[in-house]
Amino acid sequence: DQQVKQNSPSLSVQEGRISILNCDYTNSMFDYFLWYKKYPAEGPTFLISISSIKDKNEDGRFTVFLNKSAKHLSLHIVPSQPGDSAVYFCAASARSGGSNYKLTFGKGTLLTVNP
Amino acid sequence: DVKVTQSSRYLVKRTGEKVFLECVQDMDHENMFWYRQDPGLGLRLIYFSYDVKMKEKGDIPEGYSVSREKKERFSLILESASTNQTSMYLCASSLGSPSYEQYFGPGTRLTVT
Repeated sequence: DQQVKQNSPSLSVQEGRISILNCDYTNSMFDYFLWYKKYPAEGPTFLISISSIKDKNEDGRFTVFLNKSAKHLSLHIVPSQPGDSAVYFCAASARSGGSNYKLTFGKGTLLTVNP
Repeated sequence: DVKVTQSSRYLVKRTGEKVFLECVQDMDHENMFWYRQDPGLGLRLIYFSYDVKMKEKGDIPEGYSVSREKKERFSLILESASTNQTSMYLCASSLGSPSYEQYFGPGTRLTVT
């Protein structure tokens, strides 16, 4: 049972345009969400997070939106740059459920930004 | 900066061998994790530890064991390596409440022949 779903295995955008990566979750206990970026042959690096008490969090070119009623979050990258080309993982945690140290990851979306 | 190091970047082992993957973090984090990453399957949690000598099974613990004798070190053990354990293995650590971000090492690409 996949609790965190990234339904698009890949996404291709032009440099300078917006990239939108989507993530859906099924576990209503999830209350903290994170995005990670991973380059080939490297470990994932933390990008941005959002708590369920918010619906938006912004950090430079990266913005994460959370729609709790739809159990959906998205990562917006504006403007997209070729260096953003990587696999992006969505992750979720149920902090109030006692497993506040465990993350559940989606399968990832490969973003390619074309010059 | 948090640093998580893994003992090897690439490893080739034979079927049936006992394999040790070592992970060290330098930020006094309480929690440590072992994942494997396979194409199309994302990151899957094998085992995690929330304290020295404490461990819990993740989603795919079969064929693996772990050891955490010191806070900074978390080892993943493949008791008898099999070809279906060929994968990228990633170690991570986190402080825990209130910080839930996990910091990852560079990964070990293990090939079992």
